[in-house]
Amino acid sequence: NAGVMQNPRHLVRRRGQEARLRCSPMKGHSHVYWYRQLPEEGLKFMVYLQKENIIDESGMPKERFSAEFPKEGPSILRIQQVVRGDSAAYFCASSPNRNGDEQYFGPGTRLTVT
Amino acid sequence: ELKVEQNPLFLSMQEGKNYTIYCNYSTTSDRLYWYRQDPGKSLESLFVLLSNGAVKQEGRLMASLDTKARLSTLHITAAVHDLSATYFCAVDMTSGSRLTFGEGTQLTVNP
Repeated sequence: NAGVMQNPRHLVRRRGQEARLRCSPMKGHSHVYWYRQLPEEGLKFMVYLQKENIIDESGMPKERFSAEFPKEGPSILRIQQVVRGDSAAYFCASSPNRNGDEQYFGPGTRLTVT
Repeated sequence: ELKVEQNPLFLSMQEGKNYTIYCNYSTTSDRLYWYRQDPGKSLESLFVLLSNGAVKQEGRLMASLDTKARLSTLHITAAVHDLSATYFCAVDMTSGSRLTFGEGTQLTVNP
């Protein structure tokens, strides 16, 4: 059973470009969480999704950031018009259901904005 | 708002010594997690603590939870260099929802 997969692992974007980060949850997992880790800091929650639904987006910046988890395919975290402050590691986690199951983390995507 | 605080944030210790990392949180929680992160890597789950008084041990690491004091500890026994990493605690306030992480403790074990 493959773990949580994220791609790309490293992404370099110039200021003003768009970044798309992908997350494929573990097989059988229908809950996906995105976290951001700024350099030398802990992880901060961004958004929690189930298939076709955003459950909690209270950690998402109000502008430029969006997330989706379609019926088919991976979850996508999209950052429009990136700025230098968006440079961070973005981690995706998945769990099988909502009832307190442990979240399993992917390897992360390291975004660098130049 | 749930706050999770770890201390110390930086810990340099010699091989063979014992030490404890503390994790305090501000509100009632359903469960507490400890993770390890190596530089440039993802998070490795170490322990899941589900109830007051829970104690779990794996190798040289032992974690405990006191829900009344809102405190968890990660105890390191006879440290070895391979334990050098950053250790995070994380709290799940509402089952199956977001995790709130501490700032992390950067542990360096010197030969």
